[in-house]
Amino acid sequence: KNQVEQSPQSLIILEGKNCTLQCNYTVSPFSNLRWYKQDTGRGPVSLTIMTFSENTKSNGRYTATLDADTKQSSLHITASQLSDSASYICVVSLKTSYDKVIFGPGTSLSVIP
Amino acid sequence: DSGVTQTPKHLITATGQRVTLRCSPRSGDLSVYWYQQSLDQGLQFLIQYYNGEERAKGNILERFSAQQFPDLHSELNLSSLELGDSALYFCASSVGIRVSTDTQYFGPGTRLTVL
Repeated sequence: KNQVEQSPQSLIILEGKNCTLQCNYTVSPFSNLRWYKQDTGRGPVSLTIMTFSENTKSNGRYTATLDADTKQSSLHITASQLSDSASYICVVSLKTSYDKVIFGPGTSLSVIP
Repeated sequence: DSGVTQTPKHLITATGQRVTLRCSPRSGDLSVYWYQQSLDQGLQFLIQYYNGEERAKGNILERFSAQQFPDLHSELNLSSLELGDSALYFCASSVGIRVSTDTQYFGPGTRLTVL
C-alpha cells in the first residue's frame, strides 16, 4: 500500500536550535518528493522537490535529504526562528501513467523563545 | 502571496445547506486543484481541473461537485452539508497538467463551519 509517514508528530524547540524532521514512504514507483511548509490557517508553500537522482536540496536554512534506497527523507532546519513554527508536510509522487501524489500527515513544529 | 485567491475567507452555515466556494488561479495557470483539510488531519485531494476539463478525482463525496469556467476560475459546490464537512478548503493552481511534477501554488483557504 502506498503510504507516507512522518515523525515526530509534533516537536518543540528553542529558537536558534537545529532540528530534523523525518519522512518514510512506501510509495512505488517513486517519482519525486516535496517538502511543504504550512503556517497555521494558511495554504502550504513548497520548500524543496527532489527526484530519484538527487540526495540533497537546500532552500536557505532548510536542507532536505533523500535516500531512495531506504525510502527515507529528512528536512533539517538550521538556526531555527520563531517564524519556522508551522506544519511541515512530506508529499511523494508516483511515476505512473496516471497522476497521483500522496500527502504525509505532517509534523507540527513549534519554535519558542 | 501565492497569487491564488479564494473567497469567501470564512463561511458559517447549517446542516443540510449548500455552499459555493470560489477560486481564481494564478495568471497563466491552467490547472486548479481542490483540497480538504479537517482539524488536525492532513490534506485530502478532492479534484483537479485542467483548462476547463475534469482531470483527476480524489476522495470527493458525491454531495460535492466542482467546475472550471472559461476564464479558468473554479467553484466547489458542497451540498447537504453535514457537521463533518467543517474544514479548511484549499484551492491550488499550477501551469501544467501533471500534479506529480508541477509546482502547486496554494490559496489562503476557505474555512467552512457547519453548525
